[in-house]
Amino acid sequence: DTGVSQDPRHKITKRGQNVTFRCDPISEHNRLYWYRQTLGQGPEFLTYFQNEAQLEKSRLLSDRFSAERPKGSFSTLEIQRTEQGDSAMYLCASSFDGNTEAFFGQGTRLTVV
Amino acid sequence: DQQVKQNSPSLSVQEGRISILNCDYTNSMFDYFLWYKKYPAEGPTFLISISSIKDKNEDGRFTVFLNKSAKHLSLHIVPSQPGDSAVYFCAASPDNFGNEKLTFGTGTRLTIIP
Repeated sequence: DTGVSQDPRHKITKRGQNVTFRCDPISEHNRLYWYRQTLGQGPEFLTYFQNEAQLEKSRLLSDRFSAERPKGSFSTLEIQRTEQGDSAMYLCASSFDGNTEAFFGQGTRLTVV
Repeated sequence: DQQVKQNSPSLSVQEGRISILNCDYTNSMFDYFLWYKKYPAEGPTFLISISSIKDKNEDGRFTVFLNKSAKHLSLHIVPSQPGDSAVYFCAASPDNFGNEKLTFGTGTRLTIIP
């Protein structure tokens, strides 16, 4: 296991379409996080899971966004009815409780046209 | 409301000299601070961290200083090398290791001049 893996790396979609991203964390890590980064800004927290439980959601996560981690392993982030303002880099990270800092994946760059 | 601020968007330093990156925070609940380094088209990479019970943490060429009363931390890189050219993000968390959410600054682009 070489690190946090995200798929796809790039996604271009038309406004109004739905998109889904996948994140595979480091295998022994029980916490998984989603962040969003726009140009010139630092990553902004969206949500995080401890195992399969979603523990916190940011107010940035509108009702068009949903995240799941059904078996406490990989996670998916879905955006429904995409808008141009959703264009950003979506970053996933994972960590192990009380033992490690968060390790980030390479991100999925979403462009909504 | 920017709870973590990096007021210098960019910094240029000669190779071999010291690079000092600064970060200020406003939330007294933050208890753990981290620095991440980011190259273009890659995710952030963890660099070094410090708990609020310490005022200094050192790892090789990298040292982080924390002044809790001033709500200020800094990252020192010495000597600076061309491979250090990247965007550096300061991050803060209310718990150890940042196992809850991280709040990031806007980043400082460091350029090392050969």
